[in-house]
Amino acid sequence: DIQMTQSPSSLSASVGDRVTITCQASQDIRKYLAWYQQKPGKAPKLLIFDASNLETGVPSRFSGSGSGTDFTFTISSLQPEDLAIYYCQQYDNLPYTFGQGTKLEIK
Amino acid sequence: EMQMVGSGGGLVQPGGSLRISCVASGFTFSSSAMSWFRQAPGKGLEWVSSVNAVGSSSYYADSVKGRFSISRDNSKNTLFLQMDSLTSEDTAIYYCAKGSSQYASGRHQFDCWGQGALVNISS
Repeated sequence: DIQMTQSPSSLSASVGDRVTITCQASQDIRKYLAWYQQKPGKAPKLLIFDASNLETGVPSRFSGSGSGTDFTFTISSLQPEDLAIYYCQQYDNLPYTFGQGTKLEIK
Repeated sequence: EMQMVGSGGGLVQPGGSLRISCVASGFTFSSSAMSWFRQAPGKGLEWVSSVNAVGSSSYYADSVKGRFSISRDNSKNTLFLQMDSLTSEDTAIYYCAKGSSQYASGRHQFDCWGQGALVNISS
């Protein structure tokens, strides 16, 4: 199975800050990485697919980059509604696997 | 608007069975691979199973292989997960999710998720 290592596991930032989360795959997954947002008590929501493509309707402050084994997710200007847990997920090979999540808190 | 509504969760004794379902709307269900994921209390996300658009191919996580069975009824836009020989390790919220392609093992993202069904395995 492909292991996904996500960091940090938690972070606290202020409104307007730039926030970056990283995800590392245990083997080459090319571009097949997605980022999901999960708000408290809700289902995950797709934000980014194929490493850098923004899902329709998702605000442009969210972005992704990377390929191979190293990926980055960025929120350019943090908003209060961005309070959530963020997960990376690889879909290059079954079983699909997730990072352990990054809990984002607003200062 | 794409939407999926899950149902069938509940409290089951260890060793018991349960079938959960998910009804889809707002997209062409019969053209989309579908999957189940789960999330144990306070834990991360885990892929459970996937089925292709026509229901002819399915895949399972090792943790559920031989105990769980995924199926679909395209005439009713409904996805099912039959769960047998349940243990406490299966306690979780189970989410159905739509794949962005018709192929269950394909390289596709999951662009619509149901609200989840809580499955609690306890004596």
